[in-house]
Amino acid sequence: GEDVEQSLFLSVREGDSSVINCTYTDSSSTYLYWYKQEPGAGLQLLTYIFSNMDMKQDQRLTVLLNKKDKHLSLRIADTQTGDSAIYFCAEMFSNFGNEKLTFGTGTRLTIIP
Amino acid sequence: SQTIHQWPATLVQPVGSPLSLECTVEGTSNPNLYWYRQAAGRGLQLLFYSVGIGQISSEVPQNLSASRPQDRQFILSSKKLLLSDSGFYLCAWRRRDGGHEQYFGPGTRLTVT
Repeated sequence: GEDVEQSLFLSVREGDSSVINCTYTDSSSTYLYWYKQEPGAGLQLLTYIFSNMDMKQDQRLTVLLNKKDKHLSLRIADTQTGDSAIYFCAEMFSNFGNEKLTFGTGTRLTIIP
Repeated sequence: SQTIHQWPATLVQPVGSPLSLECTVEGTSNPNLYWYRQAAGRGLQLLFYSVGIGQISSEVPQNLSASRPQDRQFILSSKKLLLSDSGFYLCAWRRRDGGHEQYFGPGTRLTVT
């Protein structure tokens, strides 16, 4: 089976970097994703990484993937108040041609002024 | 561009009453469609997915059902709501061919009293 774990809370000072971590169990994952959820809203796809990559950078976002340890991280540089949200990692899992996403429980990022 | 709509945005229903939540997608054809539930303080649980009109797969046995009467319309229903059905219901879509990302709607907050 598949399982995705995240820390529940992270507090970061405005202007510092935030690092949100995630571990997963399914080594056959094809893609891994980071979603952002602001209060009362749906999920916004931030970025994703293909499973044969180690790193992906997109403006202030850097995704690191350690396949050996099944560890995924999202680094947000120069964290701003608008980055306050819940961040979900998710892995795409294929089962006999059916693809489904398994989500972590989410990390609530709080920005300290 | 593609957009996904959900309504209503919020709903308060008594135990034992019926439920109908609607999701529609614009700007794409033949999408894969998904219903997720997010319980308070928890991650997302996949409830149903559909690869075409009238084709529904259920991930979790429960009090809910789904239907896809049209290509870009996905409906979540219940004949009799339970207290445990309370939560935030999210619809998502994905391109059938050539895409792996799932895009989410704004969600419906359901409170069963």
